[in-house]
Amino acid sequence: EDQVTQSPEALRLQEGESSSLNCSYTVSGLRGLFWYRQDPGKGPEFLFTLYSAGEEKEKERLKATLTKKESFLHITAPKPEDSATYLCAVQASAGNTGKLIFGQGTTLQVKP
Amino acid sequence: NAGVTQTPKFQVLKTGQSMTLQCAQDMNHNSMYWYRQDPGMGLRLIYYSASEGTTDKGEVPNGYNVSRLNKREFSLRLESAAPSQTSVYFCASSSWGLYEQYFGPGTRLTVT
Repeated sequence: EDQVTQSPEALRLQEGESSSLNCSYTVSGLRGLFWYRQDPGKGPEFLFTLYSAGEEKEKERLKATLTKKESFLHITAPKPEDSATYLCAVQASAGNTGKLIFGQGTTLQVKP
Repeated sequence: NAGVTQTPKFQVLKTGQSMTLQCAQDMNHNSMYWYRQDPGMGLRLIYYSASEGTTDKGEVPNGYNVSRLNKREFSLRLESAAPSQTSVYFCASSSWGLYEQYFGPGTRLTVT
């Protein structure tokens, strides 16, 4: 069964304290792995797509990496405005429907 | 561009009542999706439409129906609402199944 597990469930950091969020996945052929940011009361906002092991993407203080079994979202010198829930989702290679399987998210709080 | 819009933003229903959630996108996307998000359960796919004229069941379709009205619009109908359908509903769209999905702001539904 295709599955996505994110850890930790919650993470509290001081401003400037770098850390990483983990997304482990089990899927019958990975077509793509997606990272989203979700602020309270809003819809998920697309951040990155990774397609193959070894691939990396960066945006401001965020950097996403991919291996054959997991992805990491590295946050360098975070600021309070980076506080949000970060969601990981995978798309299996079977079919072409675009169906995503989401993890339950990691809620990040960055304190000033 | 407004992106993905959803109406209404909030709704309270009594058990047994019916309602339709509306979704529209102005990005000329082919694929559209309906998700529900519940605490501890993450985002789960209800129905999707890979292209205009087609719809398919997702992970949790029971109690729902959908209509792909045209390329822009995809509606979700609850024929007889139940308390278990209390949730936040998100609509999303993507260019084709391979690509990232863009989400609307959500509809917060309470069924009493």
